[in-house]
Amino acid sequence: GDSVTQMEGPVTLSEEAFLTINCTYTATGYPSLFWYVQYPGEGLQLLLKATKADDKGSNKGFEATYRKETTSFHLEKGSVQVSDSAVYFCALSGQAGTALIFGKGTTLSVSS
Amino acid sequence: NAGVTQTPKFQVLKTGQSMTLQCAQDMNHEYMSWYRQDPGMGLRLIHYSVGAGITDQGEVPNGYNVSRSTTEDFPLRLLSAAPSQTSVYFCASTPPGGAHEQYFGPGTRLTVT
Repeated sequence: GDSVTQMEGPVTLSEEAFLTINCTYTATGYPSLFWYVQYPGEGLQLLLKATKADDKGSNKGFEATYRKETTSFHLEKGSVQVSDSAVYFCALSGQAGTALIFGKGTTLSVSS
Repeated sequence: NAGVTQTPKFQVLKTGQSMTLQCAQDMNHEYMSWYRQDPGMGLRLIHYSVGAGITDQGEVPNGYNVSRSTTEDFPLRLLSAAPSQTSVYFCASTPPGGAHEQYFGPGTRLTVT
């Protein structure tokens, strides 16, 4: 079945460092891909999305490109801030209608 | 627009007790779903509904019941709580068409002792 694999954390960075969180997927057909962010004590918020191959999603300085040839959707940010500390989830739209399939999440901790 | 709302925010139950987690959305979304979040497991789908009167099972449905009598509400029932159901529960809704992104509620943190 469809699945999402993302790098395990925690990821610990200093402020202004470059961030990459890897995400790869297995899916039949052409899923949409998402990154969600969860700040401490809160629900999940959509960070960015891409609906077809070679699409680049971007938001708040974060970017991810839908790479069908490598089945990847890696999250990047050029300069992280302390306020980016959160758990990041990669997800895809599954076969069962509009259900989302999530990776296990990657915790990012940024220190000043 | 309140979005997706969930109550209660926190709940402690004893083993064997029953309770209902409430979820409501005011965006007229047809599709709603319940997930549980456990450390190191990501989010796992419990049940979902594609519209009023229609529900189906997700990845981990055992021990949970749902119903969907209106478009707005999608309650999750635990009939006989077990310690394995200690988790954070999230309700989500999805607008029709498009890329199937989901809007999440703030979650309910449930502890079963």
